[in-house]
Order: sequence, then C-alpha cells, then structure tokens
Amino acid sequence: GAVVSQHPSRVICKSGTSVKIECRSLDFQATTMFWYRQFPKKSLMLMATSNEGSKATYEQGVEKDKFLINHASLTLSTLTVTSAHPEDSSFYICSASTGPNQPQHFGDGTRLSIL
Amino acid sequence: GEDVEQSLFLSVREGDSSVINCTYTDSSSTYLYWYKQEPGAGLQLLTYIFSNMDMKQDQRLTVLLNKKDKHLSLRIADTQTGDSAIYFCAETLDSNYQLIWGAGTKLIIKP
Repeated sequence: GAVVSQHPSRVICKSGTSVKIECRSLDFQATTMFWYRQFPKKSLMLMATSNEGSKATYEQGVEKDKFLINHASLTLSTLTVTSAHPEDSSFYICSASTGPNQPQHFGDGTRLSIL
Repeated sequence: GEDVEQSLFLSVREGDSSVINCTYTDSSSTYLYWYKQEPGAGLQLLTYIFSNMDMKQDQRLTVLLNKKDKHLSLRIADTQTGDSAIYFCAETLDSNYQLIWGAGTKLIIKP
C-alpha cells in the first residue's frame, strides 16, 4: 500500500521550455502533497506544500511564478517548471501524506535536464 | 532552530549488522522516520517510530529511540549488498508536519 507514482522519470529539454511533472497517490487519498528538490549528494530541499483544493505554500526563496503547483484532487498534484533554464536542472521528488504527522510516501523522482 | 544530524558514511562487511545513528535537537518531535534512497531513485519509507516509543522492530530492522539524549538509531541485521543506499533520518514536530531531514548516511557494504 501507499504507492506514489511520479511521471515522467526523466526529462531532457531545451532552455525556455515549460515542463510538467505529475504526482499521483495510487491507493490512498493524499490531503497533502509535497514537492522537493534534491541537489547532487545533498539532502532534500522542500519547495512547497500543497493541500487539495487550496493554493500551495512555498518555502522561502522558491519562486511561485517559476514553479507552479496544482493540487486539484486528492490523488493528483502537478509541478510545472515554467520557462526552464539550465540552473533548474535537478532531481525533483514529490511525496504524499494522508494528514498531519502521518508518514510521507515518496514518488521515484524526476530527473530534469535543461540544455 | 531544528536540526537533524547524521554521519555521512558507514562501511560494514556483508553479513554484519549496520547501525546508523541520528541526533536531533527539537524535543517536540512527534514522529521520527528512516528513509532509504538507492542511486538515482526516490525515497522509500523504511520505518518510523512515534516519539513515545523506545523501540520498534520490523524483520531485519530495529529502531531505537533515546528521547532523553535525542538520539535515534537504525540497526540493519545481516547486512546485504542490496542494503547499499543512503539512509535519511527525519522528524516531524508538534507544530506542523513538515519533515526535517538529516543529510543522509551512505551505507557501503564490503564483501
């Protein structure tokens, strides 16, 4: 149980392109989803927290116009990296939780490479 | 502020037990977690322990929590090559449910 599917697993695209990453909870309803960014050999950096039906809460330093998050249903959240540039290249991971103080279950991550 | 610390590397021989340690600073932690990340992959929740527990065992995994010393450990019995990964310790606090992460411990298995 508690499976989170993240798609795509890898994206390579040109600078200026917008890229959408999907995060789905397959066998449970996720009231809250989280988006993380991981730099090489580093721990996870929380980018934003989204609750179903409301606007995402972004961490300090994360541009909300650059990283658009939509959490339209209890099983789906999307992260769109708008007008991506090489510095946006990274490993992006989503997680989903059924509520406060419940474990977060992670997707397999998306490796984004901007040329 | 809140802080979670782990050593960066641990090297053990195949078949031995691995003990990965973690210390945290905030006494209002509610849940403490161990996640495993294999190369190029996402994070897998291995186990978690509520802060009013001292120990939790699940097959080869044993979690020990010393709340007085704010110390959490993960013991992997009979370590196998498939256990090679980075292990992250994390906590959530009473005030919210964001995870506070350690930097991760890379477990290296020697034949």
